[in-house]
Amino acid sequence: GIQVEQSPPDLILQEGANSTLRCNFSDSVNNLQWFHQNPWGQLINLFYIPSGTKQNGRLSATTVATERYSLLYISSSQTTDSGVYFCAAEGRETSGSRLTFGEGTQLTVNP
Amino acid sequence: EPEVTQTPSHQVTQMGQEVILRCVPISNHLYFYWYRQILGQKVEFLVSFYNNEISEKSEIFDDQFSVERPDGSNFTLKIRSTKLEDSAMYFCASAMWALRGTDTQYFGPGTRLTVL
Repeated sequence: GIQVEQSPPDLILQEGANSTLRCNFSDSVNNLQWFHQNPWGQLINLFYIPSGTKQNGRLSATTVATERYSLLYISSSQTTDSGVYFCAAEGRETSGSRLTFGEGTQLTVNP
Repeated sequence: EPEVTQTPSHQVTQMGQEVILRCVPISNHLYFYWYRQILGQKVEFLVSFYNNEISEKSEIFDDQFSVERPDGSNFTLKIRSTKLEDSAMYFCASAMWALRGTDTQYFGPGTRLTVL
């Protein structure tokens, strides 16, 4: 099945800094989503982005499907951005619509 | 905004007991999923469900697990005889459609299962 790799595994920022999180995937995708897992464990949908670029406030994402990677940009980071960011992909060759998650990037934003 | 809900938020059970985790998907969604996350690890797919039958299941989803849509709104995951290694956060998700070229999967807040 599809492999999903995220980098970096850990990232520590000062409030106000910008960051880029990367997700590499091994096959063509039908679906690619970014999530933020908050300290209570909830998975918050950030983007559905199998291709192209989207923006939502201080967050934006770009997926280059032909090169099999996606990037999540966080600008002017805030302490509330802390948590784990997951990328998840559905491979085009899978029989169903399961999402395969990466290991995540643990982001800590210090005041 | 519509959301997926799950109950209970936390369940503690003794090893060998049966547990039923409940989910109410978003009302016009047709595809339903269960995922789990062992503490400190990544989220793993368990099963997908469409048109009142399982459409795909992972190797984790063995005979101890079953899913059911008992009425028009609920979607349940049953673990027949819990083991210590079943302790995890269980997430329900739903999507409007999920053929090739799938739609966003929306996740519930999770049920934290602790097996003692």
